[in-house]
Order: sequence, then C-alpha cells, then structure tokens
Amino acid sequence: GAVVSQHPSRVICKSGTSVKIECRSLDFQATTMFWYRQFPKKSLMLMATSNEGSKATYEQGVEKDKFLINHASLTLSTLTVTSAHPEDSSFYICSAERENGWGTDTQYFGPGTRLTVL
Amino acid sequence: AQTVTQSQPEMSVQEAETVTLSCTYDTSESNYYLFWYKQPPSRQMILVIRQEAYKQQNATENRFSVNFQKAAKSFSLKISDSQLGDTAMYFCAFMKHGNDKIIFGKGTRLHILP
Repeated sequence: GAVVSQHPSRVICKSGTSVKIECRSLDFQATTMFWYRQFPKKSLMLMATSNEGSKATYEQGVEKDKFLINHASLTLSTLTVTSAHPEDSSFYICSAERENGWGTDTQYFGPGTRLTVL
Repeated sequence: AQTVTQSQPEMSVQEAETVTLSCTYDTSESNYYLFWYKQPPSRQMILVIRQEAYKQQNATENRFSVNFQKAAKSFSLKISDSQLGDTAMYFCAFMKHGNDKIIFGKGTRLHILP
C-alpha cells in the first residue's frame, strides 16, 4: 500500500505555455500533499504544501502565481507551471501524507516529473 | 531553523561490505522524526528507515540500521552486506513533530562496486 503516482512522467513544452502535473495517492486519502523541486544532483526543495479544500501554503521565494496548486480531492493535487520558461526546467516531485492513526504521519513520494521547457 | 548536514557527498564500497553514511542535524526541538530516504537512478524516493526522537532504541530495517545519538544530534545509517541495488543517492531528513515539512540534507551518493 501507500502508492503515489505522478502524471506525466516527462513533459517537454515551449516557452510561454502552461503545464499541469498531477499527483495522485492511489490507495489512501491524503489531506496534505507536498510539491518539491529537485535540480540535477541536488537535494529536494519544498515548494509548497497542498491542503485539500484550501489554499496551498508556499515556501518563501516560490511564486504562487507561477506555480498554481489545486488540491480538489483527497487523492489528487495538481501543480500548474504557468507561462513556463527554460529556467523552470527541473524535476518536480510530489509526496502525499498518510495518517497512521497514532499521531505520526508518513510521506510517500511520487516518481517525479521531468519538465523541459524549450 | 532546523538544518540537516551530510558531510559525505559521495562514497564507494565493494559489494557485501558494510558502509556507514553520516548525518548531523541542528534543532532546538525535543520531539521530532528523522528519516533516511533512498533515491535510486529511477529518481523514485523510497523511505529506508525512520526514527522517533523520543525512542532510545535505534531503528532497524533488515540490512539497514541507524545509530541515533540525540545528544550529539547525529543520525548515521549503516548498510550491512551491501548489494548492487543499494547504489543510490541517500538523503537524511528531519521533521518536527506536529509539522509536516521535511527538511532534507544535500545527500550522499553511494556506489556499490561489484
């Protein structure tokens, strides 16, 4: 159990277009999901916390108008990169938090989406 | 603010050997969680092991074990009988109790040599 999927796994787009990435928890419900960005050979950088039914919480320095997050259901969060530019090219990873019921939660990660903006 | 430091950017060991990855962290919190995540070439993040700070006993998962030294704020990962499939990037991570945010170290790239 605790599988998280991301779609697409890889996307190439032209500069100025928008790209939507989906993150789904397949076998559990997640009121909280997270979006990370990972540069080559670097660590994961938290971009935002996605809360079901409410606005996302963005980390300092992350443009909320550029990286739109929608968490419309307990199993789906989407990240839309608006007006993408080459500097937005990166590996985007989501995670979904599963509540264990005894006060500790575990985050399970999706397989990531590689975005290339030409 | 919490920080996680991994001082070994890259390591290589022969298959079947034991290897220890270092991690130190800084926090003023008393209740928190520590993790080791593995990221193989597929880029899929996999939870290897987790440790609750209030537990004195070191966590163990098959060939993976940790040495948790709370006073020293040290959380090393030991991989016994290393296998080729252990080749990956390993991230040490911290999460404060009651806060969902995970703070990752910069990672250690581990190569298991045949």
